[in-house]
Amino acid sequence: DIQMTQSPSTLSASVGDRITITCRASQSISGWLAWYQQKPGKAPKILIYKASSLESGVPSRFSGSGSGTEFSLTISSLQPDDFATYYCQQYKTYLGTFGQGTKVEIK
Amino acid sequence: EAQLVESGGGLVKPGESLRLSCAASGFDFSIYTVTWVRQAPGKGLEWVSCISSSDSYIYYADSVKGRFTISRDNAKNSLYLQMNGLGAEDTAVYYCARVEGGVRGYLNMWGQGTLVTVSS
Repeated sequence: DIQMTQSPSTLSASVGDRITITCRASQSISGWLAWYQQKPGKAPKILIYKASSLESGVPSRFSGSGSGTEFSLTISSLQPDDFATYYCQQYKTYLGTFGQGTKVEIK
Repeated sequence: EAQLVESGGGLVKPGESLRLSCAASGFDFSIYTVTWVRQAPGKGLEWVSCISSSDSYIYYADSVKGRFTISRDNAKNSLYLQMNGLGAEDTAVYYCARVEGGVRGYLNMWGQGTLVTVSS
């Protein structure tokens, strides 16, 4: 099984900050990685697929990069609506595994 | 508007069964792989099971294999999850989701979730 490890688990930041969340796969997944945002009590929402492709309707301040085993999600200028939990997910294999999540909280 | 709406959650006792449903609308349900993902209270996401567009491929997480059965009815635009032998570890919000890219894909549409609580 492919394990996905996110860091950090929690990130404290202020509005306007540039933040980066890292996701590491236990083996190469090429570019088969997605990022999701989840707010309390709500379903996750797709942000990025294929490591760096922005889902339609997602603000351009979100960007993804990486390939192989190392990936990152960057928010260029954190907005109040961005305080949430973020998950990466590999889909090289069926039933693709999720990372454990990164909570972005207000500093 | 395209959407997925889950139903069927509730409180059950250990060992009991429950059947979840997911109604799709606003898109061609029959051409998509669909899936169930769950989230235990305060925990992360776990992919439970998925089923391809024509039932050709069905996969289960090891944690539910032999106890849960996924099925779909394309004529009714519906996805189901039959859950037997429920235990406390199955307590979670269960989401249905649409998979973009076949059985190996990302989830680009999610329902609002239905809560399953297993407790005596």
